[in-house]
Amino acid sequence: GENVEQHPSTLSVQEGDSAVIKCTYSDSASNYFPWYKQELGKRPQLIIDIRSNVGEKKDQRIAVTLNKTAKHFSLHITETQPEDSAVYFCAASIRNDYKLSFGAGTTVTVRA
Amino acid sequence: DAGITQSPRYKITETGRQVTLMCHQTWSHSYMFWYRQDLGHGLRLIYYSAAADITDKGEVPDGYVVSRSKTENFPLTLESATRSQTSVYFCASLTSYRGRTDTQYFGPGTRLTVL
Repeated sequence: GENVEQHPSTLSVQEGDSAVIKCTYSDSASNYFPWYKQELGKRPQLIIDIRSNVGEKKDQRIAVTLNKTAKHFSLHITETQPEDSAVYFCAASIRNDYKLSFGAGTTVTVRA
Repeated sequence: DAGITQSPRYKITETGRQVTLMCHQTWSHSYMFWYRQDLGHGLRLIYYSAAADITDKGEVPDGYVVSRSKTENFPLTLESATRSQTSVYFCASLTSYRGRTDTQYFGPGTRLTVL
């Protein structure tokens, strides 16, 4: 099955700086890569996703890049704010399979 | 978010007891999923269902049973609870349209403790 690795496990950044989280996947058939944000005690919520037919996608302060050849994708958060503090999960799924394989998560702390 | 609900939200049980976690969605989504979340492991898929009466195993199905007699409900049963099944359980649903994968929406979760 698909194996998704996520780094780093924890990330502390100064408010206003950028944060980058990286994930690798094992199955070249994977074609859908969502990112979820989970605040303490809450459900995971989708913040951005990318499909294998594009290399980059942006939504305001967040962006995701995908390198299919190297089988890795990254989340970039610019101008971080205290409300960005949360656990972020990357995931991957194979075409027409819909089963998500998640990374272990990155705890992001934004220091004021 | 109110379209997918889970009950109970918290449950404490003892080893060996049967426990059923409920999941209900009002969107008529075809696909539904059960995940467990443990520290250091992210979310791991237990079972999923593509439609009523169609279910299949995920990554960690041992010790769990599911059924789906109606599209809107997807209960998860622990037949004989073990301490290793102490976890937070999330239900999710998804729609697919013309082969395009859509967003998985998660329920609020059930925190289960097995003593």
